[in-house]
Amino acid sequence: EAQVTQNPRYLITVTGKKLTVTCSQNMNHEYMSWYRQDPGLGLRQIYYSMNVEVTDKGDVPEGYKVSRKEKRNFPLILESPSPNQTSLYFCASSPGHLDSGNTIYFGEGSWLTVV
Amino acid sequence: AQSVAQPEDQVNVAEGNPLTVKCTYSVSGNPYLFWYVQYPNRGLQFLLKYITGDNLVKGSYGFEAEFNKSQTSFHLKKPSALVSDSALYFCAVKRAGGYSTLTFGKGTMLLVSP
Repeated sequence: EAQVTQNPRYLITVTGKKLTVTCSQNMNHEYMSWYRQDPGLGLRQIYYSMNVEVTDKGDVPEGYKVSRKEKRNFPLILESPSPNQTSLYFCASSPGHLDSGNTIYFGEGSWLTVV
Repeated sequence: AQSVAQPEDQVNVAEGNPLTVKCTYSVSGNPYLFWYVQYPNRGLQFLLKYITGDNLVKGSYGFEAEFNKSQTSFHLKKPSALVSDSALYFCAVKRAGGYSTLTFGKGTMLLVSP
């Protein structure tokens, strides 16, 4: 089954404790991205990657890091989480970059709470 | 900069009645437009998109949307609402040609009452 898989789905952590949210897609997609969803703000892009070893900042990259060492994986790293990073996070992928209007496919989301 | 406005936080409709969820956009050049739906505790699911061609786009679950260039709108519609359509709906836009990010609206909660 074609899918984008995120882990963990739910996490409560403490301020300053490094964490990684993994994302994997099995569709051989070139483009991958991370979004956060907050009430009243919709989805905002954190980082995106157009291919292996190519990453770039989205609209709200502060406090996050990403890497793209393999085509299928795109982990999101919070080096020193803070309470304002409490949010619902989505990983997404697309067959190519979005120039031709390719559809983006989303993972199920990861609920992150930082206390 | 590109943007999407979904003017209604919530839309209420009775089952069997037609529904409309509004979306207007701003982008330089031609747009690619998308609708996504989010059910509780789930990720976003693709409903439909407008890339080019016919202004009326048909998508999943009986939904359709009409692209109106002069009004810069892409309203989502369904002739007869179901209770199971209750969910959060997102409109999104990107500029056609050349790379640009996909910008989402804030979402509209659709509540369909029995």
